[in-house]
Amino acid sequence: DTGVSQDPRHKITKRGQNVTFRCDPISEHNRLYWYRQTLGQGPEFLTYFQNEAQLEKSRLLSDRFSAERPKGSFSTLEIQRTEQGDSAMYLCASSSSEAYEQYFGPGTRLTVT
Amino acid sequence: AQSVTQLDSQVPVFEEAPVELRCNYSSSVSVYLFWYVQYPNQGLQLLLKYLSGSTLVKGINGFEAEFNKSQTSFHLRKPSVHISDTAEYFCAVSPGNQFYFGTGTSLTVIP
Repeated sequence: DTGVSQDPRHKITKRGQNVTFRCDPISEHNRLYWYRQTLGQGPEFLTYFQNEAQLEKSRLLSDRFSAERPKGSFSTLEIQRTEQGDSAMYLCASSSSEAYEQYFGPGTRLTVT
Repeated sequence: AQSVTQLDSQVPVFEEAPVELRCNYSSSVSVYLFWYVQYPNQGLQLLLKYLSGSTLVKGINGFEAEFNKSQTSFHLRKPSVHISDTAEYFCAVSPGNQFYFGTGTSLTVIP
């Protein structure tokens, strides 16, 4: 297994458009997390799944954001009606429920023009 | 609630010199502690973690950190840095699920 992968790595979109990102976790990990990182800041938690269940969502996750993990494997994060303030690096991480460390993917850098 | 403070936003250090990156946290519950490193345009890589037991933990690339419960600190140290250690370093705490990260310390190793 090569680790957590994310697609695309870069996305440029116009304000008002919808975008969707994909994350493939490490195959044996049942937990999956989404974070957002802006320039000069640490990652901020958005949401987390255990298997297919979305167990926690941050207040940062406005109604325009939705995340799914339909079969408990890969996950998608969709942002509707993008705004310039959504420009950031979106990071995905996975872990097993027996271990506490999270393994991060390379991120998707979103630029909203 | 949990929060993490990394006191130094930038740390320049000469090659082969020692370095300490400071991290303090606050939490109303017991937490696990982590240090991650981020190289440009890459994701975060785990350096080391403290879950329980010995308060001195060793990680990859010659880094170590010491958990101090009374001072709520988890400072990262390396006795001799290399050029390749130039990167952003993040301290994080977790009560068991989500992570709370500091704002990061940019370590620059000067030849």
